Amino acid sequence: DAGITQSPRHKVTETGTPVTLRCHQTENHRYMYWYRQDPGHGLRLIHYSYGVKDTDKGEVSDGYSVSRSKTEDFLLTLESATSSQTSVYFCAISEPGTGKEGYTFGSGTRLTVV
Amino acid sequence: AQSVTQLGSHVSVSEGALVLLRCNYSSSVPPYLFWYVQYPNQGLQLLLKYTSAATLVKGINGFEAEFKKSETSFHLTKPSAHMSDAAEYFCALNYGGSQGNLIFGKGTKLSVKP
Repeated sequence: DAGITQSPRHKVTETGTPVTLRCHQTENHRYMYWYRQDPGHGLRLIHYSYGVKDTDKGEVSDGYSVSRSKTEDFLLTLESATSSQTSVYFCAISEPGTGKEGYTFGSGTRLTVV
Repeated sequence: AQSVTQLGSHVSVSEGALVLLRCNYSSSVPPYLFWYVQYPNQGLQLLLKYTSAATLVKGINGFEAEFKKSETSFHLTKPSAHMSDAAEYFCALNYGGSQGNLIFGKGTKLSVKP
């Protein structure tokens, strides 16, 4: 998948526990994004990063935090998982520019909160 | 505000028939538009993109889309559907800017009947 890897691919966790999802890229792209995909909602942006230690909130950021200590890694943390956070999470990368470039997506992490 | 609307959450066609997936957008600035395809249990793959050059854009797997500013549309078409085209298709808009954030439609699931 063009040098972008998400881990784990599947996870089941209990309500109230912390969960961290990892996105790793080998493309040296500056921008990284976390989206969640839910039926009927398409993809919604959670957080994004425009450089090491530079992050910002997206449309549905409540209950999530992110960190980027290295160019290649972007972590998404659910501080205290809830059932409403059951979803498929996608990481994406892009280069800065005019917006023509499009994004490259990872294969996704399917998270189930029970 | 920028937005993307995909008309029809499910579209079903017969093998060999025309595929038409509709996408309308709203943007206060000239947009860049994308179509992504998602096969079951996979990430999103770029199908094609409009970046203000030719209004008729050709993509992979025989798909094409036409940008019509007067109709604020970017519909995806394929003359003859194949069973392997069964997937979910997402229209997305990027209105530029340094963040490069993509705004997605809610998706259209395409079924192809034998």
